[in-house]
Amino acid sequence: DIQMTQSPSSLSASVGDRVTITCRASQTIATYLNWYQHRPGIAPKLLIYAASTLQSGVPSRFSGSGSGTDFTLTISRLQPEDFASYYCQQTYSTPWTFGRGTKVEV
Amino acid sequence: EAQLVESGGGLVQTGGSLRLSCTVSGFTFSSHWMHWVRQAPGKGLVWVSRIHSDGSRTTYADSVKGRFTISRDNAKNTLFLEMNSLRAEDTAVYYCARDGLNFRAFDMWGQGTMVTVSS
Repeated sequence: DIQMTQSPSSLSASVGDRVTITCRASQTIATYLNWYQHRPGIAPKLLIYAASTLQSGVPSRFSGSGSGTDFTLTISRLQPEDFASYYCQQTYSTPWTFGRGTKVEV
Repeated sequence: EAQLVESGGGLVQTGGSLRLSCTVSGFTFSSHWMHWVRQAPGKGLVWVSRIHSDGSRTTYADSVKGRFTISRDNAKNTLFLEMNSLRAEDTAVYYCARDGLNFRAFDMWGQGTMVTVSS
């Protein structure tokens, strides 16, 4: 199975901050990398797919980059509704695997 | 508006069985691969299983292989997860998720249903 190592596991930030989360795959996954946001009690939400493509309706302050094994999710200016957990996921080969998540908190 | 609604969760004893359902609306269910994903209390998301749009192919995580069965009824717009021989470590919120048509990502999720396995 492909292991996804996400860092940091948590971070403290303030509204307006620039936030960067990284994800590393245990083997190359080309650009089969997705990012999700998950807030408690709310269905997870797709933010970025194929490493850098913004899902329809997602604010442009979210961006993704990377290919191969190293990937990054960036939130350019953190908003109050962005305090949540973020997960990377590889869909290069089954089983699709997620990173352990990054909790963005105040 | 497109949506996915899970049901069927609850409290079950170790070794017991449960059948989850995911009823969808607002999109052509029969065009999409569908998945189940779970989240144990305080833990992250874990992919469980997937099924082809016509039900012909299925894949499972090793942790549930041989115990869980994914299926679908395209006429009733419903996805299922039959769970047998349940263990304490199966305790989680179970989400159904839709696979995007043109890319490998879960572009729509349900709100989840809680499964608690206790002795």
